Order: sequence, then C-alpha cells, then structure tokens
Amino acid sequence: SQTIHQWPATLVQPVGSPLSLECTVEGTSNPNLYWYRQAAGRGLQLLFYSVGIGQISSEVPQNLSASRPQDRQFILSSKKLLLSDSGFYLCAWTGGGGGYEQYFGPGTRLTVT
Amino acid sequence: GQQLNQSPQSMFIQEGEDVSMNCTSSSIFNTWLWYKQDPGEGPVLLIALYKAGELTSNGRLTAQFGITRKDSFLNISASIPSDVGIYFCAGTPTGNQFYFGTGTSLTVIP
Repeated sequence: SQTIHQWPATLVQPVGSPLSLECTVEGTSNPNLYWYRQAAGRGLQLLFYSVGIGQISSEVPQNLSASRPQDRQFILSSKKLLLSDSGFYLCAWTGGGGGYEQYFGPGTRLTVT
Repeated sequence: GQQLNQSPQSMFIQEGEDVSMNCTSSSIFNTWLWYKQDPGEGPVLLIALYKAGELTSNGRLTAQFGITRKDSFLNISASIPSDVGIYFCAGTPTGNQFYFGTGTSLTVIP
C-alpha cells in the first residue's frame, strides 16, 4: 500500500533563516506531487505541483521554491523565511497520469518567529 | 486559484442527528472528493465520486456527484462524537489540479 511521509512534523524558525521541508511517497511510481499551505485550519492554498522529476509548476509567487530530485521525493525550500510563511504545510500525491484521488501527508507545522 | 463554495461554514448538532453539507463550483469537474481533517493532521479522503449522479456510501457517510457536475453533497447519518472535525470538498477537472472548499466545521454535542 502507498504511504506518504513528511518531516519534520513541527518547526520553529527565526525570520530570515532558510527552510527545507521534505516529502516522500512509498508504494507507487511516477506520482503527481503537491505542496499546499493551510492557514488557521481552513482553506488549502496550492503552492507547487509536479508531474515528474525536475518538473515544477508554481501557483503562487513568493519566496518559496520546490524541487523534485527523485521520482518520489518533493522538497519545499526557502532561502529567507518571512513571518507570513508560518502555517501548516501539507504534501499530497495522486497517481501519475492524472489519477483522480489525492492523498495527504501528516503535515508540517511551521512557526516563523 | 479557484475556490469552491462550501456550506455551511460550521454546524453544531446533537449526537444522533443527521448532517448535510454541500459544495458548488463555477466550473465542471470530473471528480469530486470529500475529506475529513482532525486538528494538527492531514486531511483524510472519505469518498471519491467519478460520475454525474453517482451516489456513494462509506459507512454512515453518503456523498453525491451533482447532475450538473458543478456540485456535490455529503450526508452523515446518526452522528457520533468522533465525527467532529473539518470536512472539505475538492474537485478536479483534469486530475492534475485540485480545487478545495473552505471547509465545514462540525461539532457534535453528546
């Protein structure tokens, strides 16, 4: 069966520091991968999605970036965090080729101080 | 990106009551999904719908794919305390990009 992992689970970082969040999927190949941010327990905002290695689509211009160095690995990064980057970050996957069921990871709670 | 209209925004119900919520879109979707999210956790997929008019059940949960392909409904029968959480609808026209509702917060009073 497929599983999705995210780490770390929680993170407290000062303003201006770098960020690296990692997501990996097991039990599937060539998945579509997604990064969302959720504020205040509502409203998932799509940040990035990827249909293959090295292929990244950005939905929201900001100081975040994403990379997909391996088929089942998706990384969210920032060179300098802002206070507004605080939130709950969720990674998700769907089956490659336009699978229609999307599954989420456990999330990372990021607090920028 | 597009956000779906989900209502109601919140519900406070007695244990044992039935619950209904719905979601509407301005565009046609090929798939509707319903999720439940507990505090501090990722959303969990409850039901997936693929055809207009389709009615699908998962235990006490029943969801329907609207005939117009622009709406979907979720019903929970005989609510119990563990039904508490935030319920999200989601839709996709192509299977690549997904659009989410703003969530319905459900509180069940024992």
